[in-house]
Amino acid sequence: AQSVAQPEDQVNVAEGNPLTVKCTYSVSGNPYLFWYVQYPNRGLQFLLKYITGDNLVKGSYGFEAEFNKSQTSFHLKKPSALVSDSALYFCAVRDIYSSASKIIFGSGTRLSIRP
Amino acid sequence: KAGVTQTPRYLIKTRGQQVTLSCSPISGHRSVSWYQQTPGQGLQFLFEYFSETQRNKGNFPGRFSGRQFSNSRSEMNVSTLELGDSALYLCASARLAGGTDTQYFGPGTRLTVL
Repeated sequence: AQSVAQPEDQVNVAEGNPLTVKCTYSVSGNPYLFWYVQYPNRGLQFLLKYITGDNLVKGSYGFEAEFNKSQTSFHLKKPSALVSDSALYFCAVRDIYSSASKIIFGSGTRLSIRP
Repeated sequence: KAGVTQTPRYLIKTRGQQVTLSCSPISGHRSVSWYQQTPGQGLQFLFEYFSETQRNKGNFPGRFSGRQFSNSRSEMNVSTLELGDSALYLCASARLAGGTDTQYFGPGTRLTVL
């Protein structure tokens, strides 16, 4: 069965510092990994995805994520945090060889950036 | 290009009633998926439609149903509403079903059951 774990409910970072939001996954085949962000009273916004190839994926708003197959991780990173990055972040996974579009989401990590 | 739109944005219903939510996908997208988001259960997959056919279904009771029209617009129906159905219902569209396509989400419909 596919699953995603986000071990931290909340991450607090000072503005200007680097940030990392952790994600580990479990799938039966090759993973197709996503990060989405949710602002208050909004739907989910797509940040980036990993399908295959380069382990470092660059996405929207200066975010990037590193795929690590041996550690089954896909951590989200940003070199310098902004107050406007404060939001709820979701890691998600799908088996790319499945015909289903169903995405399994992690429980979410609330990112709080202090000025 | 317009994004995924969902109507209505907010709904208040009472127990026992039924409700229909609507989702219009991004132009050219033929796959529509529905998710329920609650504080306790997080984001859970409801079902997916592609070319007017339900392809996958999550672990929800039969009170939850949906359909897709020939123009790819989708509706979700919940009958005999329960208090626990209060949630944010999110719709997502993709060009195709499965594979490597990205799902893009709408703003959601906030359903409150009293």
